[in-house]
Amino acid sequence: QITLKESGPTLVKPTQTLTLTCTFSGFSLSTGGVGVGWIRQPPGKALEWLALIYGDDGKRYSPSLETRLTITKDTSKNQVVLTMTNMDPVDTGTYYCARRRGAGDAFDIWGQGTILTVTS
Amino acid sequence: DIQMTQSPSSVSASVGDRVTITCRASQSVSSWLAWYQQTPGKPPKLLIYAASLLQTGVPSRFSGSGSGTDFTLTINSLQPEDFATYYCQQAKSYPFTFGPGTKVDIK
Repeated sequence: QITLKESGPTLVKPTQTLTLTCTFSGFSLSTGGVGVGWIRQPPGKALEWLALIYGDDGKRYSPSLETRLTITKDTSKNQVVLTMTNMDPVDTGTYYCARRRGAGDAFDIWGQGTILTVTS
Repeated sequence: DIQMTQSPSSVSASVGDRVTITCRASQSVSSWLAWYQQTPGKPPKLLIYAASLLQTGVPSRFSGSGSGTDFTLTINSLQPEDFATYYCQQAKSYPFTFGPGTKVDIK
């Protein structure tokens, strides 16, 4: 069974740095073409892709947020970590991690999401 | 960036109805288009990938078609559990982009 689970703070203050961890099981990030991505969703709004990392350590970011994002992986722990700097109230929402099966493919398995509020 | 639009933004339907949702990309995404279903408080669930391939475990009343810039998700014989919001997503090029969503609610 493939699972992903997000963890991190529920509340951060503006200007702080956010660190989110995705812990997964049931697949290997070392498998060719497999990636783990982060997607967020502000309350009542649409989904927004943030970043993606592959087993070969290839990384891709949303251009609109690239200067604030860093994605890393710890293959031994089956974890992917996303850091986002200079948090703002508009970053409030639910943050999901999800598996991408391969090149050109969709996100087939999603975590339950972690809800984040940015407020002073 | 490839912009994704969906129509309609919402649709009211009854159990047993056929519902069709359209997704349009601002440039060709070939067949690299996925459809997701999301219910309140839950993560998105992959329904269709590569424009027309049914994800394992998804009921056959869901189908997808299209290529290039125009795509369609069809739900035949709508069931109570199908009332949800549906999103399309292009998987052809970075940054990946999602449509704004189509909410299917009960008439």
